[in-house]
Amino acid sequence: NAGVMQNPRHLVRRRGQEARLRCSPMKGHSHVYWYRQLPEEGLKFMVYLQKENIIDESGMPKERFSAEFPKEGPSILRIQQVVRGDSAAYFCASSPPQGSNYGYTFGSGTRLTVV
Amino acid sequence: AQSVAQPEDQVNVAEGNPLTVKCTYSVSGNPYLFWYVQYPNRGLQFLLKYITGDNLVKGSYGFEAEFNKSQTSFHLNKPSALVSDSALYFCAVRELVGGYNKLIFGAGTRLAVHP
Repeated sequence: NAGVMQNPRHLVRRRGQEARLRCSPMKGHSHVYWYRQLPEEGLKFMVYLQKENIIDESGMPKERFSAEFPKEGPSILRIQQVVRGDSAAYFCASSPPQGSNYGYTFGSGTRLTVV
Repeated sequence: AQSVAQPEDQVNVAEGNPLTVKCTYSVSGNPYLFWYVQYPNRGLQFLLKYITGDNLVKGSYGFEAEFNKSQTSFHLNKPSALVSDSALYFCAVRELVGGYNKLIFGAGTRLAVHP
C-alpha cells in the first residue's frame, strides 16, 4: 500500500521557467492538500482539492501558481515563471473522503531550487 | 480562524532527560489537535492526535501529549529523550471551512537531543 507519492524529489529550474510538481494520493484518498515550507519556516497551507474541484485555494499566491486534481492521474501544482523566492519544499498530503479529522498522510516532498 | 502557537523555536535536551515541546491553540468549538514530526529532508510523519476522550494521548515512538482545556494547551512529552528524537516538530489544529476541513500548522519547534 504505497503512501503519498510526490515527484520529482528535487527540481532545479532557472528563473522564468515553469515548475510542475506531481502528487499521487494514497489509494482510497480523494482529498489532496498542498503545503509550502520555506527555508527555516513552518508549513503554510496553499490549496485543498478534491477530484476535479478546488475546495480552498486561500493560501495560493494570486499569480503564477495553479493546482489541479483531474479525474484521472495525479494532482499537479504548477508554478509559472519561477523566481528565486519560489525555492522551497512543497509537500502534498492526502486524506480519506471523511476529510482530515484523522490527520493526513504526507508525501516526502519536492524540493524546488530556482537558480 | 483556528490557530496554534509553538512558542519555542528550539528546545535542547540531554539524552535520557524528559522533553516537552509546547503548543497552545485557539479554536472555536471542540479542538481536533495533532502532532507531526519531520526528520531532515523528509516529509511529515503523524505522531498522535486528540479528538475526544482521555486528555492524555499516547502516540508513536514513546511520545504522548496532554490536552488541557483550561490552559488551551496540547504539549508534547516524552519521559526519556533519545538522540534520534532530534527533528522538527509541528503542532496542528483542524479548521472547518464551509463544511470541509483542513489542518493549520504551527511554525514548528526544532528539538535537539544531545548525547
